Formats: sequence, C-alpha cells, structure tokens
Amino acid sequence: EVQLVESGGDLVQPGGSLRLSCAASGFTFSRYWMTWVRQAPGKGLEWVANIKQDGSEKYYVDSVKGRFTISRDNAKNSLYLQMNSLRAEDTAVYYCARDFVSEVGALDKWGQGALVTVSS
Amino acid sequence: DIQMTQSPSTLSASVGDRVTITCRASQSIVSWLAWYQQKPGKAPNLLINRASSLESGVPSRFSGSGSGTEFTLTISSLQPDDFATYYCQQYKTIPYIFGQGTKLEVK
Repeated sequence: EVQLVESGGDLVQPGGSLRLSCAASGFTFSRYWMTWVRQAPGKGLEWVANIKQDGSEKYYVDSVKGRFTISRDNAKNSLYLQMNSLRAEDTAVYYCARDFVSEVGALDKWGQGALVTVSS
Repeated sequence: DIQMTQSPSTLSASVGDRVTITCRASQSIVSWLAWYQQKPGKAPNLLINRASSLESGVPSRFSGSGSGTEFTLTISSLQPDDFATYYCQQYKTIPYIFGQGTKLEVK
C-alpha cells in the first residue's frame, strides 16, 4: 500500500525556519516526481514545488522562490521542504504528493498533511 | 501563469441529481487537466487525469470532458458520499495551478 507521511509541522514565528519531511513507502520512490501542495485554513489548494526523480530539476511557485527549498533522499525514501523567512501567509496544511508516473503534475497519492502555523 | 476558474463556487443538489462543474483555463492546456475531490479534514483524492481518464477505483458515475480551455466534471447520479469540494488543476505549465474549488452541498 502506498503511504506518504508528513512530519515537522509546528508553530513558528515570522522570519523563522522549518523543515518538513515526507516518508514514502509502498512504491519505488526513486521512479517518481514528487510535489508539495499547501492549503491555507478555509482556502483552496496551492501548488508549491516539485522535484524530479533524481533531484536534478526543481520548480517553485513564485511566492516561495528564494525562501523554500525542495529536496529528496532516495536512499531514505524521503522528501523534504526547507522553509526559511516564513511569513504569516505561509500558514497552511502542507501536503506531500506523488506525481502520476506517466504524467508529471497530476497527483495520484497524497499524505495526510502537516500543519505549519506562522505567528508571533 | 495559467489561471483556472471554476464555476459555480457552490452547488446545491440532491441525491440522484446529475451535476456538472465547469473549469476554464486562461489559455489552452490541451488536455492536461486533473480533477480532485476533497472532504473536510482530508487530503484531496485524484478522480480524473488528462481531462477524461478516470482514475482506478473511482466510480463510473464520475466523468470528465473538454479540451483546450473549457472542461467539465459530471456526476451522473449524486450519491451521499459525493458531497465534497472539487478542484480542477492544470498541469501543462508550471506552476500547476488549481481552480478555486466548487463546494457541492446538500440541497
């Protein structure tokens, strides 16, 4: 069974940093693009970043460029999101998701989400 | 960025109804469109990819159509489990933007 389990969500002050992790199991992690999507409280879904199978390509939404870094460790079947210079508007549930194997962008498996709250 | 506009934002319907949700792209995305269902407190669930390809395990009462800039998600006969929020997403060009969502509620 495919499982994606996020961890690392927390309450952090504006300007602070946080690292989210996503542990993958039940599939060959190294074969898939992976993605982070976030959802602010009561709001819709926002695509944040994705990363190629070998980590050689990474893409970000403009609002997080220069502040967030997506990475992966295929040996550990893990995806990460390093978030720096956090702002109140980054408050959201962050989902780790797997891209459809044959169509990068469509997300066929999702984790349960990790809540990040940015507040003083 | 390619913008995605869903309509309506809220849809009131009854069990057994046929419902249609529309998603419009600000430029052609060919057929690079996905539909997701999300229930409160849960992660989204992929229903349809490439505009009309039903994901394995998704009931056949769900269908998708369209190409270019206009797309629809149709539920042929609403079941109690279908009351949820639905999102479209384009994946032709990064950032892979989602529509704002359509909340399907009980009439």
